[in-house]
Amino acid sequence: KAGVTQTPRYLIKTRGQQVTLSCSPISGHRSVSWYQQTPGQGLQFLFEYFSETQRNKGNFPGRFSGRQFSNSRSEMNVSTLELGDSALYLCASSQSTADTQYFGPGTRLTVL
Amino acid sequence: AQTVTQSQPEMSVQEAETVTLSCTYDTSENNYYLFWYKQPPSRQMILVIRQEAYKQQNATENRFSVNFQKAAKSFSLKISDSQLGDTAMYFCAFQTRLYGGSQGNLIFGKGTKLSVKP
Repeated sequence: KAGVTQTPRYLIKTRGQQVTLSCSPISGHRSVSWYQQTPGQGLQFLFEYFSETQRNKGNFPGRFSGRQFSNSRSEMNVSTLELGDSALYLCASSQSTADTQYFGPGTRLTVL
Repeated sequence: AQTVTQSQPEMSVQEAETVTLSCTYDTSENNYYLFWYKQPPSRQMILVIRQEAYKQQNATENRFSVNFQKAAKSFSLKISDSQLGDTAMYFCAFQTRLYGGSQGNLIFGKGTKLSVKP
């Protein structure tokens, strides 16, 4: 069974732009979570989606948003990019909200 | 709020030896899960082992085992017969078990960078 895939793997943007990251969960998994990883703050939870509904949200500004489609694929969007948004963005999927999360390879976002 | 602390930023071990990584957590919850994830230089976060708090028996997965001390809120990872491929960042993570069986988000420690030397 294929693992979690994330596209693109690398992205370079400039301040003020917006960006959309994509995550395809493991086949059959309906829950998708997003995490931001930075050297300073470590791994921080962004949000979780299950059956196209946001189930949980971390402590991030409204510039960070996401959605989930009927096929369980998820996207996250960051508007008005700031230098501090440079990070590795990890997506994780699980069969349901009661199962172990499996991670994708991440998208490395660099904001110049 | 739950917190996870990994007090060893870096560790090294000789190939074939045993190493133990420490993790402590703070929570007022009684039902939760604990995990160890491994992140090699390739960045892919890989699940190493999972422990359910209501189970007293320590989880094991091949060369990986945990020492779960619920009262002390301690959850250490032991890697036996260390291999070069074990070189990675290791993250301890906590997850609340919510009412109805669903789970909260993962809360991670800062990580321990493990180097296995030949």
